[in-house]
Amino acid sequence: LAKTTQPISMDSYEGQEVNITCSHNNIATNDYITWYQQFPSQGPRFIIQGYKTKVTNEVASLFIPADRKSSTLSLPRVSLSDTAVYYCLVGGTTDSWGKLQFGAGTQVVVTP
Amino acid sequence: EPEVTQTPSHQVTQMGQEVILRCVPISNHLYFYWYRQILGQKVEFLVSFYNNEISEKSEIFDDQFSVERPDGSNFTLKIRSTKLEDSAMYFCASSGQGRGNQPQHFGDGTRLSIL
Repeated sequence: LAKTTQPISMDSYEGQEVNITCSHNNIATNDYITWYQQFPSQGPRFIIQGYKTKVTNEVASLFIPADRKSSTLSLPRVSLSDTAVYYCLVGGTTDSWGKLQFGAGTQVVVTP
Repeated sequence: EPEVTQTPSHQVTQMGQEVILRCVPISNHLYFYWYRQILGQKVEFLVSFYNNEISEKSEIFDDQFSVERPDGSNFTLKIRSTKLEDSAMYFCASSGQGRGNQPQHFGDGTRLSIL
């Protein structure tokens, strides 16, 4: 499983766009990039997943450059309720039964 | 939207006692997982389960731990003789397939407190 590196914390104000970049230099050809969100005392929640270029859903966008050695999660116009820990995970179609390896994640704090 | 449900939300148990944590995965999912998160630490993988048997387990998942799918809907984690260090949030998850590119859906956890 590819190792990931992401900032420990990020602060933002309401209404701003938050971009969290994750480095995964050793990503394998069959690896996907997946982001989860976790609020205190809750389980991680799937946000978005991508393989290359750009993916967008109702919650976020994921930008993946051509070399796939990094990815950026973009949260548009954050609100206070977006305060959470965000995890970047990399895994592939041949991973051992889908085991997820969480790092420390990025603590995003949104203030008024 | 279908969700994973876990009971109880909080379990307090004396050290040395057995505890069973219960989970109802999403109904059409086939792969099931347990993770734990000690307060202030990372989410850690414990075990994955498919086709009524363990697919993979971590070094944390020693002989004190067992999992079972007793019927078509429940998935349980049993800790035979609890230790103080078992105090943590325990999360159940499920996915439609077991590959790394399949999102896992997590429950909101059981907070286990060992006294």
